[in-house]
This record gives sequence, C-alpha cells and structure tokens, in this order.
Amino acid sequence: KAGVTQTPRYLIKTRGQQVTLSCSPISGHRSVSWYQQTPGQGLQFLFEYFSETQRNKGNFPGRFSGRQFSNSRSEMNVSTLELGDSALYLCASTRDAAASPLHFGNGTRLTVT
Amino acid sequence: DQQVKQNSPSLSVQEGRISILNCDYTNSMFDYFLWYKKYPAEGPTFLISISSIKDKNEDGRFTVFLNKSAKHLSLHIVPSQPGDSAVYFCAANNSGGSNYKLTFGKGTLLTVNP
Repeated sequence: KAGVTQTPRYLIKTRGQQVTLSCSPISGHRSVSWYQQTPGQGLQFLFEYFSETQRNKGNFPGRFSGRQFSNSRSEMNVSTLELGDSALYLCASTRDAAASPLHFGNGTRLTVT
Repeated sequence: DQQVKQNSPSLSVQEGRISILNCDYTNSMFDYFLWYKKYPAEGPTFLISISSIKDKNEDGRFTVFLNKSAKHLSLHIVPSQPGDSAVYFCAANNSGGSNYKLTFGKGTLLTVNP
C-alpha cells in the first residue's frame, strides 16, 4: 500500500509570493491533516480536512489555507510568504477511526528568502 | 504553553542496552498517547501508542509506560540498535474529540553507539 505522498519535496520562494503544496493520502484514508515543523516550535497542527470540509484549524494566520478534493487529495496554500514561514510542511492521513494513528508523508521543505 | 514536554533534547546509549525516552504532559484531557520516530529528510513514522485505560503497551522491542497520576509516559527500547538512532517525538490527543489533532513534544535525539 502506498504511503502518504507529498509534492514537491523542496521549494524556494521569495517573500511576498504564494505557494501551493500537494498531498495524496493513503488509499482509503479520508482525513488529511497538515502540520508545520520548525526547529523552535516543533510540530504544530495547521488544519484538517475530511470529506472536503475543514473540521479543525490550528493557531495560524489566515494566510495559511487548504482544501480537499473528492478523491481525498489535499492542497495547502500559503499567501504573502514571510521569512518565518520557512519550515518543513508535513501532511498526514488517517482512517479517522478510534485509535487510528496518523501516517505522515516525507514533507515539503519550504525556504523563503 | 507547552502541553507536551520532552525535557531531554538528546540521549546517547550503547548498542544492546536499554534506551528510555521520557515525556510529560500537562493537559488532563489527553487520553491517547503516541510515539513517532523521525529520520532526517523523512516524515515521522508511527511507533507505538497507548490509551489512558492502560498503563503499558508492548510491541517487540518497544514498550510504552503511562503513569496518569504523574502525567508521565516513557518509551523503552530494548535492546537498542544503531538503526534506532533518530529523533523520537511524543504526541498526545483527546481521542474523545479527534485523533488527527496531535500535540507534539519537541523531540529527543537518540543516538545508539555501536
């Protein structure tokens, strides 16, 4: 069974630009979550989608948004990039059943210059 | 306010010995706990979990212990192998709510020396 796939693996953007990251969950998983990992803050929850609906959102500004498609694939968008947005962005999927753990992709490393 | 804390940024052990990684939490609503392992340039990989109705869960060389009164959990790896060298994250959530919104500790870098 294929794991969670994230593209691209690496991105370099300039301040003020916007970026879109993509995630394909494990087949059969309908819940897709996004996390940001930085050296200072660790792994922080961004938001989660299920059946094309955002169910929960972390404490991030509105510049961070996402969506989910009918095939459960998800995209995350960051607008008006800031230097502090440089991070590893991780996508995770789950069966959304009790005690079903999150399975993570290998992430997209975003560098903002 | 950090609700999940891993107070040891790093740990070094000899191959074959026991590795003990610790984690403390402050939110009494947490009732489901997980450990993830992360190699450089890869995403976190799920290792083992424990529900608050248990105090121990084993899976091969990995055992997680939960002390609810102390709000403390630990991961034991026996015997430790060089391939176990990675960053280990402790995570928690309130499974009564959702199992996708995890609160993570900042990780402990484990180095297993041959």
